[in-house]
Amino acid sequence: EVQLVESGGALALPGGSLRLSCEASGFNFDSYEMNWVRQAPGKGLEWISYMTGAGGAIQYADSVKGRFTISRDNAKNSLYLQMSSLRVEDTAVYYCAREVDFCTSIGCTKVFDYWGLGTLVTVSS
Amino acid sequence: AIQMTQSPSSLSASVGDTVTITCRASQGISNHLGWYQQKLGKAPKLLIYAASSLADGVPSRFSGSRSGTDFTLTIRRLQPEDFATYYCLQDYTYPRSFGQGTKLEIK
Repeated sequence: EVQLVESGGALALPGGSLRLSCEASGFNFDSYEMNWVRQAPGKGLEWISYMTGAGGAIQYADSVKGRFTISRDNAKNSLYLQMSSLRVEDTAVYYCAREVDFCTSIGCTKVFDYWGLGTLVTVSS
Repeated sequence: AIQMTQSPSSLSASVGDTVTITCRASQGISNHLGWYQQKLGKAPKLLIYAASSLADGVPSRFSGSRSGTDFTLTIRRLQPEDFATYYCLQDYTYPRSFGQGTKLEIK
């Protein structure tokens, strides 16, 4: 059974740092692209970062570029998000999500097929 | 960056009704669009991929369509478990972008 379990969420001060983890099980972790998505309280979903299975390609949303760093340790089946220079507006539930190719007769598209339950990050003084 | 404009932001309907939710992309994204359902306090769940293909295990009352840069999610014969928030997501390019969400409430 595929499982993604996030951890590391906590209360942090503006300007502070946190490291989130996402532990994966039930699939060959190093074969899958992974993402971080967040959701501020009462708000919609916001994609924030992506990494390929081998870690060779990385993408960030403009809102976190230069402050957040995605990484992974395939030996530990884990994805990470190092968050620094935190802002009040970074307060959110952070989800990790597995990305796969779903193909039709027309071509292939990318979907987030499994998500974790999320971990809450609160940035407040 | 591609903007996904989703409407309406909220919708009230009754069990048995048919509802339609729309996402408009700010530029062409081919069929690179998925629809996700999120229930309160839960992670999102994939409903539709490639604009119109039903994900495994999703009831056939859900359907998706595309006309140019306009994408539609239709839910027919609403069931009590369908009352949730729905999001579109473009996977055409980075940064990925979600629509703002549509909260479907019971009338």
